[in-house]
Amino acid sequence: GAVVSQHPSWVICKSGTSVKIECRSLDFQATTMFWYRQFPKQSLMLMATSNEGSKATYEQGVEKDKFLINHASLTLSTLTVTSAHPEDSSFYICSARAGGGMGNQPQHFGDGTRLSIL
Amino acid sequence: EDKVVQSPLSLVVHEGDTVTLNCSYEVTNFRSLLWYKQEKKAPTFLFMLTSSGIEKKSGRLSSILDKKELFSILNITATQTGDSAVYLCAVIAGGTSYGKLTFGQGTILTVHP
Repeated sequence: GAVVSQHPSWVICKSGTSVKIECRSLDFQATTMFWYRQFPKQSLMLMATSNEGSKATYEQGVEKDKFLINHASLTLSTLTVTSAHPEDSSFYICSARAGGGMGNQPQHFGDGTRLSIL
Repeated sequence: EDKVVQSPLSLVVHEGDTVTLNCSYEVTNFRSLLWYKQEKKAPTFLFMLTSSGIEKKSGRLSSILDKKELFSILNITATQTGDSAVYLCAVIAGGTSYGKLTFGQGTILTVHP
């Protein structure tokens, strides 16, 4: 159980393009989804927290107009990197958490999306 | 600011060895500590620890939490090459109901045949 699917797994595109990444919880309803960025040999850096039906909460230093997050249903969240530039190249990972309450449940991660901007 | 520190940052052992990975934390309003294993892709969930002194076990892996001293350890016995990975410790803390994770830097474990 607790499977999270992320798509695509790898994207290469030209500078200026917008890229959409999907994150789906396959066998549970995810009230909260999280988007992370990971640089080589570094740990995960939280970008934003997304609750179904409400606006995402962005971490300090993350541009909300650059990284658009939509969480329209209990099983799907999307991250759109708008007008991507080479410095946006990174490994993006989503996670999903079931249930509400005090948030004390484990997050389950998708397989990540490697984004390369030329 | 919440802080999670793992040690060692990297570790090289031979198959059959036992390893202990450490995670200490300084956070406001601690809720839970989680261990994840990350190989080439995204992290896979290992353990979630909420109470002090209760060992969680899964095969050759085990973990325990000490809420008084603010740390956790992850033990792996009889290591195998397939245990080579980055092991991440993360803490859920704070007053939000969103369950945000704060990650440590990770420990890179390499197991040689």
